[in-house]
Amino acid sequence: DVKVTQSSRYLVKRTGEKVFLECVQDMDHENMFWYRQDPGLGLRLIYFSYDVKMKEKGDIPEGYSVSREKKERFSLILESASTNQTSMYLCASRPTGTSGLDEQFFGPGTRLTVL
Amino acid sequence: QKEVEQDPGPLSVPEGAIVSLNCTYSNSAFQYFMWYRQYSRKGPELLMYTYSSGNKEDGRFTAQVDKSSKYISLFIRDSQPSDSATYLCAMSNYNDYKLSFGAGTTVTVRA
Repeated sequence: DVKVTQSSRYLVKRTGEKVFLECVQDMDHENMFWYRQDPGLGLRLIYFSYDVKMKEKGDIPEGYSVSREKKERFSLILESASTNQTSMYLCASRPTGTSGLDEQFFGPGTRLTVL
Repeated sequence: QKEVEQDPGPLSVPEGAIVSLNCTYSNSAFQYFMWYRQYSRKGPELLMYTYSSGNKEDGRFTAQVDKSSKYISLFIRDSQPSDSATYLCAMSNYNDYKLSFGAGTTVTVRA
């Protein structure tokens, strides 16, 4: 059974704090993603990693960075959290393929509140 | 203008009704069209997918794609309370990892 886990379901941080969101997948997938989900806006891609230590910016990378030191783990970092980063954060993984149809498997999400 | 438009609803229907959901898009290069279902406090999971134009049926679910109109639909027949969820459309180019998502439509099926 495929599994993507995220370190926290709910997180409350203060403005200016450094925040780490962790994601682990057990499917040996090469590709991993970080999205944020906001009402009325759907899922927006923050960063994508296609291999260990490799990353690409998504549509909204500003204020975020990522780290992928091991294949199964992909971390999202908020260097200095701001209130406009209050959101639901979703991690996903996907096997490497040449087809745009390859399914992305999502974790349960982390609801981050920045006060 | 967003690349994928989806009415966020919410939509409330009685049990047994047909649920009709749709998305429009602007990028004519999209080839793959997907519907994800997201239950409350869970991540999205793939429900159905279609390639290019046409219909696809899976049990009570039917997905339709009309590329000429840049319009996709999902129909749920004989809806059940367990179908209550947010439904997100997503689409991609042929050889691209990136998915473009709609905003999601929240559906409640009343018993």
